[in-house]
Amino acid sequence: EVQLVESGGGLVQPGGSLRLSCAASGFIFSNFWMSWVRQTPGKGLEWLANIKPDGSEKYYVDSVKGRFTISRDNAKNSLYLQMNSLRAEDTAVYYCGKNGRTFQYWGQGTLVSVSS
Amino acid sequence: EIVMTQSPATLSVSPGERATLSCRASQSISRNLAWYQQKPGQAPRFLIYDTSTRATDIPARFSGSGSGTEFTLTISSLQSEDVAVYYCQQYNDWPPLTFGGGTKVEIK
Repeated sequence: EVQLVESGGGLVQPGGSLRLSCAASGFIFSNFWMSWVRQTPGKGLEWLANIKPDGSEKYYVDSVKGRFTISRDNAKNSLYLQMNSLRAEDTAVYYCGKNGRTFQYWGQGTLVSVSS
Repeated sequence: EIVMTQSPATLSVSPGERATLSCRASQSISRNLAWYQQKPGQAPRFLIYDTSTRATDIPARFSGSGSGTEFTLTISSLQSEDVAVYYCQQYNDWPPLTFGGGTKVEIK
């Protein structure tokens, strides 16, 4: 059974940083593209970034480019999202997703709140 | 960036009746479209890809059609467990991958 479990969310002040993790199981992690998607009440679902199986290619939406970094550790079956220079508008539930273009499986999400 | 527009925002359908949801792309996306279902308090669930191919374990009452810029998700006979928000997503031209704003399906 495929499982994706996000962690690392919480309350952070504007300008702060947070690192999200996604622990994957039930499939050969190193064979698949992986993605991060977030959901806000106001903007709905927003794809943020994806990463090739070997980590050699990464793509981002413009709104997070230069502030967020996607990475992975295939030895640990884990996906990461380093978020810097956080803004109030980054407040959302963050999901990791299996696959790079469509999202076959999703984690349960982790809530990030950016507020002073 | 390809903008995805869904209509209507809310759809009220009687149990057993057909529900038809629309998704429009701002430019042609061929058939590179997926649909997701999101129930309250849950993560989205993968329903359909390549416009009309059902994902694993998705009931046959869900079907997709269309091409180019106009797409449809049809629930042939609405069940109570189908109450959810449905999102379309294009993957023809990226980055970025983009989603529609969603259609909320409720029981009449």
